[in-house]
Amino acid sequence: QSVLTQPPSASGTPGQRVTISCSGSTSNIGSNAVSWYQQLPGTAPKLLIYSNNERPSGVPDRFSGSKSGTSASLAISGLQSEDEADYYCAAWDDNLNGVVFGGGTKLTVL
Amino acid sequence: QVQLQESGPGLVKPSETLSLTCTVSGGSISSYFWSWIRQPPGKGLEWIGYIYYSGGTNYNPSLKSRVTISVDTSRNQFSLKLTSVTAADTAVYYCARGTRRYFDLWGRGTLVTVSS
Repeated sequence: QSVLTQPPSASGTPGQRVTISCSGSTSNIGSNAVSWYQQLPGTAPKLLIYSNNERPSGVPDRFSGSKSGTSASLAISGLQSEDEADYYCAAWDDNLNGVVFGGGTKLTVL
Repeated sequence: QVQLQESGPGLVKPSETLSLTCTVSGGSISSYFWSWIRQPPGKGLEWIGYIYYSGGTNYNPSLKSRVTISVDTSRNQFSLKLTSVTAADTAVYYCARGTRRYFDLWGRGTLVTVSS
């Protein structure tokens, strides 16, 4: 069981806006920044969001992140078929003194 | 551009030691934190640990007793050793670059199967 909790699945139609949640505690999300990763089928994860809401160069602004208290969210607007992937959240955990991941959310574009 | 490439045996026997190396090309290893992360087949990601280029390390408490991560700056490589492996250690192992808090560049990953 993962320290950070994500819904196992999410879906949307092309052009729609979808959000994926990530729930934690005061020792991780509540006191540290959140990052998000996209894993396309058969490939390595790719950094989408860091420091809660910062996008690395090359990541489309359709992807955005937010954090409030002990929860975080990834929003994808203008959903495209190529966004179909697994998405993971992560954060430093002060109690474990290490990085913890969410269990991942499989996004299906209908 | 900077690339990471994992290498090592794809098959390890139970109770033996898993050893992997990550080669950093197109850039210097002498900055950043360098991590190992694994993903069992069909499951999520698990952080194993990191090493700073100067040698400081930090490991996942659940694996700490079995893990060693080392760095060779002269070869631009860092390595993972995981002792006393079992079938539960079967996974795709990724090396990654980043800070202590996130990973901005990943290798392609290498599947390691633990089986006799």
